[in-house]
Amino acid sequence: QTVVTQEPSLTVSPGGTVTLTCASSTGAVTSGYYPNWIQQKPGQAPRALISNASNKHSWTPARFSGSLLGGKAALTLSGVQPEDEADYYCLVYYGGAWVFGGGTKLTVL
Amino acid sequence: QVQLQQSGPGLVKPSQTLSLTCAISGDSVSSNSATWNWIRQSPSRGLEWLGRTHYRSKWYNDYAESVKSRIIVKPDTSKNQFSLHLDSVTPEDTAMYYCARESTGAYSDWGQGALVTVSS
Repeated sequence: QTVVTQEPSLTVSPGGTVTLTCASSTGAVTSGYYPNWIQQKPGQAPRALISNASNKHSWTPARFSGSLLGGKAALTLSGVQPEDEADYYCLVYYGGAWVFGGGTKLTVL
Repeated sequence: QVQLQQSGPGLVKPSQTLSLTCAISGDSVSSNSATWNWIRQSPSRGLEWLGRTHYRSKWYNDYAESVKSRIIVKPDTSKNQFSLHLDSVTPEDTAMYYCARESTGAYSDWGQGALVTVSS
């Protein structure tokens, strides 16, 4: 069974920079896995921020960026705002099926 | 702008079938570039992709191994919607269920979510 692993929790100060990562049990995450980054705030439906590793949606704030880094998918927040406190999930494609990571709870403190 | 509107019962008895519908506006369920997905979320299982349907000259379905034996995702072209049917439910299937559109690797559109409780 394929497992996608994320940091369970991270804390960042307002205005700071933080990088969340997404690793696959099958090996390196590449663009062929079409990694998505999904944000979810309490009581809300998930909302996609990044697709295909680094593509932003029209609603994605400029401070969010996605990349492939050292065999993992990565989501970097630069100039973190209090409203960025949320759960972040990566979603990875394995040829016919998608698998979510366990999510990272980001605290802005 | 694609919108997805979910509907279906919020309470299902154990051993029965959970059925939800996702109505599409702004795109077609028969689109050659989109896939139509069901995802659920529970405290114990987190976010879990369940399955999808899509049309590429013919209809295709893919399902997660965890539910493969009891799930059907079905398009309805006459109503431009797609549905989820999950058989033989147990309390473990209690979750928030979401439909979502994926196109060229991007999950851009999500339904509002529907809480389904499995209980007698």
